[in-house]
Amino acid sequence: TQLLEQSPQFLSIQEGENLTVYCNSSSVFSSLQWYRQEPGEGPVLLVTVVTGGEVKKLKRLTFQFGDARKDSSLHITAAQPGDTGLYLCAGAPNNNDMRFGAGTRLTVKP
Amino acid sequence: DAGVIQSPRHEVTEMGQEVTLRCKPISGHDYLFWYRQTMMRGLELLIYFNNNVPIDDSGMPEDRFSAKMPNASFSTLKIQPSEPRDSAVYFCASSRTRKKLFFGSGTQLSVL
Repeated sequence: TQLLEQSPQFLSIQEGENLTVYCNSSSVFSSLQWYRQEPGEGPVLLVTVVTGGEVKKLKRLTFQFGDARKDSSLHITAAQPGDTGLYLCAGAPNNNDMRFGAGTRLTVKP
Repeated sequence: DAGVIQSPRHEVTEMGQEVTLRCKPISGHDYLFWYRQTMMRGLELLIYFNNNVPIDDSGMPEDRFSAKMPNASFSTLKIQPSEPRDSAVYFCASSRTRKKLFFGSGTQLSVL
């Protein structure tokens, strides 16, 4: 069982559509992070959410941290082919090592 | 800054051979992490160092795996002997704070 469960595992949509992906856990985190990984490269940090209920925006990407700090979501508005990639959430339970979810593999078709 | 540099980018070897993966972290980063990524298990933390000292190696699969960090600018992950089930992408990451990780481009390892 993964510490961080991400859903859906795969998502394929058309350019211009909106989407939301989720990251859930039974553990409480002091913060959660979202990374994007493109083929042949390592993950790149997009955002860190720290406060329960916090919402952060990064252009067309909106990140939310759950009130109880156990879950997070990533919403993309008007997806573009450049958004294609593996989206990973990560957190350090009990302030220990950074653990990653299995990721959501997003494909945006032109 | 050049970012985290890993070598080689690709490694193909035969079962039983020794494999050494290399990593140069970002200058000034005190933490260095080795992760392994597979489709089945995702990104798994193998080991991490703080100021060149191994802090947590509980993710190292078995005694065939070893990691060293002889100085602040270099680390190695060695597999001896290698097995087909070790095939994966191995990532090195570095960080100032242990929270914001900067990843290298990875080494794609194939053990035949």
